[in-house]
Amino acid sequence: NAGVTQTPKFQVLKTGQSMTLQCAQDMNHEYMSWYRQDPGMGLRLIHYSVGAGITDQGEVPNGYNVSRSTTEDFPLRLLSAAPSQTSVYFCASRPVATELNTEAFFGQGTRLTVV
Amino acid sequence: GQQLNQSPQSMFIQEGEDVSMNCTSSSIFNTWLWYKQDPGEGPVLLIALYKAGELTSNGRLTAQFGITRKDSFLNISASIPSDVGIYFCAGPEGAQKLVFGQGTRLTINP
Repeated sequence: NAGVTQTPKFQVLKTGQSMTLQCAQDMNHEYMSWYRQDPGMGLRLIHYSVGAGITDQGEVPNGYNVSRSTTEDFPLRLLSAAPSQTSVYFCASRPVATELNTEAFFGQGTRLTVV
Repeated sequence: GQQLNQSPQSMFIQEGEDVSMNCTSSSIFNTWLWYKQDPGEGPVLLIALYKAGELTSNGRLTAQFGITRKDSFLNISASIPSDVGIYFCAGPEGAQKLVFGQGTRLTINP
């Protein structure tokens, strides 16, 4: 079972370059989200989506764009990479967005370095 | 937004020892979650707690939902090498956001 699949696993960018981190889930989950993980700061929510065509900002959205054209895919775009965006990025999905349905399924992460 | 504070930030223990860690919040949570992240992997849910005072076990892991609803505890008994990793507490901020603590990094000396 694939679950949540993220690509690429590793990426090095130069400052100012753009790229898209891919995330796909095959569990028909309505809710998808992107987090970044930095040492000592845990996981911080970047953007999330409660269904196709609906996205919203999380705690640290600046410098990132998202779209949700299908239930399966939720790409994260960096339009102009900055060194401060060096981090490990995780995509996660949940069946639906409710306070009781809270188990999130995570991908394996994308380790991004911006030089 | 709500904030979760975990302690300790890191632990260095001997194999076979018991482990205790906790998580506190600035406001009330209706659900507490504990995740574990193995090196190089994404977090995986260990235990979910839905009721104040609830005590739930998953093998050698036991977690409790604090009576005040502002804290939760995770205990690991008789630690083994595969327990190494980062443990996160998490809780819902409304229906649409999961808030995570900073994590407790567990290192085990064989």
